[in-house]
Amino acid sequence: TQLLEQSPQFLSIQEGENLTVYCNSSSVFSSLQWYRQEPGEGPVLLVTVVTGGEVKKLKRLTFQFGDARKDSSLHITAAQPGDTGLYLCAGVNQAGTALIFGKGTTLSVSS
Amino acid sequence: ETGVTQSPTHLIKTRGQQVTLRCSSQSGHNTVSWYQQALGQGPQFIFQYYREEENGRGNFPPRFSGLQFPNYSSELNVNALELDDSALYLCASSLDVGTPKAGELFFGEGSRLTVL
Repeated sequence: TQLLEQSPQFLSIQEGENLTVYCNSSSVFSSLQWYRQEPGEGPVLLVTVVTGGEVKKLKRLTFQFGDARKDSSLHITAAQPGDTGLYLCAGVNQAGTALIFGKGTTLSVSS
Repeated sequence: ETGVTQSPTHLIKTRGQQVTLRCSSQSGHNTVSWYQQALGQGPQFIFQYYREEENGRGNFPPRFSGLQFPNYSSELNVNALELDDSALYLCASSLDVGTPKAGELFFGEGSRLTVL
């Protein structure tokens, strides 16, 4: 069974701090995606990482895919209140028909 | 470009009742997937429809069923509702199965179902 474990589950920080969210699995994934979900909304795709060791940057967000394609991390620099939300990592299942999601990391950034 | 739209946004049902949730896919997308998201959890895959046929199913009982129509819109039906069915039901559309971007999902805002 393919599982994705995210840590930490909850994170509460002050504006301006840096943080890292982790997504780990014992399975190899062809790609991993990161989504952000706000209350009352559906998840919104932030990035897809495909190549082992790949690093992608999206403004203050840096995404990394592990060399073995079993793990990924999301690093946010100088967090802002607008970054508050649920961050989900997801990978395509072996059948290629569905995304397997982690349980998510709830981030709260206070000013 | 029209995004994914779902209806209704909120609904309350009682145990044993049946519910139908509706979804219109994003323009140009022919694949629709349904996910169940319980409070504090990540979304869990229910099933996917591609060209009006079920193309994959998660670990959900047969009382969860679906349809896809020629215009690629979709319905999720749940019979004999149970308390544990209370959740946010998310519809997501994507491009052709098997294409490089097929795994990138565009979600609607969801239908919040409460079963009493």
